Amino acid sequence: DVKVTQSSRYLVKRTGEKVFLECVQDMDHENMFWYRQDPGLGLRLIYFSYDVKMKEKGDIPEGYSVSREKKERFSLILESASTNQTSMYLCASSPPVGGTSILFFGSGTQLSVL
Amino acid sequence: GQQVMQIPQYQHVQEGEDFTTYCNSSTTLSNIQWYKQRPGGHPVFLIQLVKSGEVKKQKRLTFQFGEAKKNSSLHITATQTTDVGTYFCAGPESNYQLIWGAGTKLIIKP
Repeated sequence: DVKVTQSSRYLVKRTGEKVFLECVQDMDHENMFWYRQDPGLGLRLIYFSYDVKMKEKGDIPEGYSVSREKKERFSLILESASTNQTSMYLCASSPPVGGTSILFFGSGTQLSVL
Repeated sequence: GQQVMQIPQYQHVQEGEDFTTYCNSSTTLSNIQWYKQRPGGHPVFLIQLVKSGEVKKQKRLTFQFGEAKKNSSLHITATQTTDVGTYFCAGPESNYQLIWGAGTKLIIKP
């Protein structure tokens, strides 16, 4: 089974802190994604990566950056956390099967910024 | 831009009643995917539909893809407590990106 592991289930940070959210997948997938999920807004794509050291902006990249130094690991960075970044963050991976393919999600990190 | 509208936002049913959620895209989709998210959980892939007019069944779940490939539906017959959660549809926006419906939350009345 594909396993996508997010380092923390719950995280509480202060405004202005630098926050790292880590995600590791064990299925050698090329594509990895970071989404945030807010009630009533569905899933919104922050950033994705289709290869090591490659990254592409999603729909809401402002205030975030990402890092993909190894194929299995995709990190989301909040350079200076703000209260409007309080949300559920979901990491996902997918194999490169000829176009948009099935996503496998991690369990999510509920981030609270105080 | 491309949009996927999903309705209703919530549906309250008695256990044993049927449930349906609908997705409508502003553009033709090459395929549509359905995911289920249990309360406190993460989205889990259910199925992908590719062909115009396609109908697929998984036990009590029936998935349809419209003839014009712009709409889709998920119907659950005789809901059970294990069906509780939020159901999302998603269609491709590019080779890598999916555009998601806002989800329909299935709530079973006590």
